[in-house]
Amino acid sequence: GQNIDQPTEMTATEGAIVQINCTYQTSGFNGLFWYQQHAGEAPTFLSYNVLDGLEEKGRFSSFLSRSKGYSYLLLKELQMKDSASYLCAVGIYNQGGKLIFGQGTELSVKP
Amino acid sequence: EPEVTQTPSHQVTQMGQEVILRCVPISNHLYFYWYRQILGQKVEFLVSFYNNEISEKSEIFDDQFSVERPDGSNFTLKIRSTKLEDSAMYFCASSERGSWGYTFGSGTRLTVV
Repeated sequence: GQNIDQPTEMTATEGAIVQINCTYQTSGFNGLFWYQQHAGEAPTFLSYNVLDGLEEKGRFSSFLSRSKGYSYLLLKELQMKDSASYLCAVGIYNQGGKLIFGQGTELSVKP
Repeated sequence: EPEVTQTPSHQVTQMGQEVILRCVPISNHLYFYWYRQILGQKVEFLVSFYNNEISEKSEIFDDQFSVERPDGSNFTLKIRSTKLEDSAMYFCASSERGSWGYTFGSGTRLTVV
């Protein structure tokens, strides 16, 4: 089966740092992707990891440990506009390049 | 920046009716996808399409669903006989290289009454 787990919701303060964790157990794996989704809108790509380690992209960083089936998204210098749902997804290239999404973590940034 | 365009943005249909959701992927992309998201739930894969054929489909994508690329630009999802549980946001996406470089369209909200 395919299983991707992430916390349902988190709250953080403007200017702070927040870490959103994701664990996965899937039948294939070619990459771990993070998307941001505002209510009623399409997911937008944030970051991806293929190999173990940390990928940094401005205020966003993502980490992957394939042996542990674990990833996290780190958001620094939080802004009010970062309030959104953050989706963890596993990409499987030899299954048509599909993405398997987790439930999403609803992040609320408070002043 | 190139976009994936979906029409209509909202569609209301009666149970049992056929609907066609339309998408115009990014012109140089080779992989095309449909996903759906029931309100409050996760984004779910429906189907992937490459080289003019379905390359993968999920359990959700049963005989009531079909996809077509009728010309060089459009990519459509047809639901033959809609059910109440088909009510969801349907996202089209395209990519250059499979899982990498996805661009999602803004979605079609389908409501079956």
